[in-house]
Amino acid sequence: GIQVEQSPPDLILQEGANSTLRCNFSDSVNNLQWFHQNPWGQLINLFYIPSGTKQNGRLSATTVATERYSLLYISSSQTTDSGVYFCAVAGGANSKLTFGKGITLSVRP
Amino acid sequence: NAGVTQTPKFRILKIGQSMTLQCTQDMNHNYMYWYRQDPGMGLKLIYYSVGAGITDKGEVPNGYNVSRSTTEDFPLRLELAAPSQTSVYFCASRRGGNTEAFFGQGTRLTVV
Repeated sequence: GIQVEQSPPDLILQEGANSTLRCNFSDSVNNLQWFHQNPWGQLINLFYIPSGTKQNGRLSATTVATERYSLLYISSSQTTDSGVYFCAVAGGANSKLTFGKGITLSVRP
Repeated sequence: NAGVTQTPKFRILKIGQSMTLQCTQDMNHNYMYWYRQDPGMGLKLIYYSVGAGITDKGEVPNGYNVSRSTTEDFPLRLELAAPSQTSVYFCASRRGGNTEAFFGQGTRLTVV
């Protein structure tokens, strides 16, 4: 199956700083999503982005499918951005949605 | 618009007991998934289904069973609960193909 690697595993930021989270995947995909798991455990959909670039407020994401990676950008970070960020992918005829191990982000006031 | 609904939200089981975790979606999605998330870890796929009557094993299926008799419902059955099944369980659905997945709020299960 498709392998998903996220980096860095942990990230500590001061409030107001910017950050880039990376997701590498081992095969072509037709589904790539970024999720934020908040401190209460809820999985929040951030982006559905199998290719191209999208923006939503302070967050944006870019997927370069031909090079098998996706980036999530967080600008002017806030303490409420803390939590775990997951990348999940599915590819080809395979309907499985495979998750990376996540990136734990802590934003300090 | 309920989306994906999981019940119960919390449950404590004794070793050897059995239970069914319920998952229902009202978006007419074909694909449904069950994941477990152990503390501090990512999500591991237990079972998935691409339509009514069709199920398949994921990465960690042992100790679980599923059925998909309708498009809306995808229950997960635990037989003979073990402490290793203590986890948070998430159900998800998507229409299929190149579409976005949506998750339920999770069921926190403790086996003692």
